[in-house]
Amino acid sequence: DTGVSQDPRHKITKRGQNVTFRCDPISEHNRLYWYRQTLGQGPEFLTYFQNEAQLEKSRLLSDRFSAERPKGSFSTLEIQRTEQGDSAMYLCASSRDRGNTGELFFGEGSRLTVL
Amino acid sequence: QKEVEQNSGPLSVPEGAIASLNCTYSDRVSQSFFWYRQYSGKSPELIMSIYSNGDKEDGRFTAQLNKASQYVSLLIRDSQPSDSATYLCAVSKIIFGSGTRLSIRP
Repeated sequence: DTGVSQDPRHKITKRGQNVTFRCDPISEHNRLYWYRQTLGQGPEFLTYFQNEAQLEKSRLLSDRFSAERPKGSFSTLEIQRTEQGDSAMYLCASSRDRGNTGELFFGEGSRLTVL
Repeated sequence: QKEVEQNSGPLSVPEGAIASLNCTYSDRVSQSFFWYRQYSGKSPELIMSIYSNGDKEDGRFTAQLNKASQYVSLLIRDSQPSDSATYLCAVSKIIFGSGTRLSIRP
């Protein structure tokens, strides 16, 4: 499978615990994006990387959230001290570097439930 | 005001008819516009991209862009039950609307 893969697909955690999601983009794609999606809403942008550089972060990305993309390959999104409001689908997408053009390829997402 | 606005629907269209989905955006300098389809429980997949004013056709899909009116639309001709999904309008790669639920009734 050469698509975007995300792990884990589902995560249930208790409030206050830390969680980490991993995203493996399509190998030749140098841009990687993270989004959060809740029921009935569109994806909300969190952050994106070009290679290993984190170029933009949304205001939604509070100090409890951190993302990395070491060596410009896979990326991780960590949420510290989870809150019930963090319950959502976390989507990763990748694309070639074509400025604002070009297609986003989404992974299947990581669903987080905070009890 | 939301940056990208869509009617949430549901929009119900008979099979074989034309489905018309609309989207308005607030940032006048936006240059790239996308329509994604999202089936329930699945991730979004790109249907159309459009970057200049006018129409762009791809099979049964036509995207229309009017930058002066800050309006982008998606027409689906000969609608099929498999077109039943949520359609997301996106401006650039990072600003998505809330989506319009489309239901094609046989």
